[in-house]
Amino acid sequence: GAVVSQHPSWVICKSGTSVKIECRSLDFQATTMFWYRQFPKQSLMLMATSNEGSKATYEQGVEKDKFLINHASLTLSTLTVTSAHPEDSSFYICSASPMLEGQGLEAFFGQGTRLTVV
Amino acid sequence: KNQVEQSPQSLIILEGKNCTLQCNYTVSPFSNLRWYKQDTGRGPVSLTIMTFSENTKSNGRYTATLDADTKQSSLHITASQLSDSASYICVVSQNAGNMLTFGGGTRLMVKP
Repeated sequence: GAVVSQHPSWVICKSGTSVKIECRSLDFQATTMFWYRQFPKQSLMLMATSNEGSKATYEQGVEKDKFLINHASLTLSTLTVTSAHPEDSSFYICSASPMLEGQGLEAFFGQGTRLTVV
Repeated sequence: KNQVEQSPQSLIILEGKNCTLQCNYTVSPFSNLRWYKQDTGRGPVSLTIMTFSENTKSNGRYTATLDADTKQSSLHITASQLSDSASYICVVSQNAGNMLTFGGGTRLMVKP
């Protein structure tokens, strides 16, 4: 099946610093990628939709200046958490969707990134 | 409002036993329904994806059913193994899959 690779798997950073998370589709091109946030024992919450070559679409309540998304190529989207604070500590997951014949889009998820802000 | 409700929220079973997880949805228009397995600290991994016309689909010991009339789906796990311990998430998509609604997940623990 299709593979989506996310890097890093975990990161610890100091308050006030910025952290960049990469999401790559390894064997298919993705014009659209999605970024999610997941708190412990909860399901995934969509943060934003990343569109190749254009601005990302953010969900209500998600600060676009804090969570910068760049989708510079058909295989790479990045999420930068700027001026991170402890409350930004969470599990961040990306997904990308190749088109499957007869089934529409199938979402493949990255391994996730555990961000801890100290 | 588009919603996906899963039950039970959590479940503990003994190794070797079977179990069935439930998913009810009110998403419209419907494109497809997916079941994912998410291990702790990992991203979700697809188990099955079913379109409107499919009633059942199997993937090894996992069998998913879909009743599009009642908007219900189930995931049956046969002969559970310790490695089945995970969260199972039901996701319903609209618009050829571009819009996803996630269920809250069922946390399954398989004990020896």
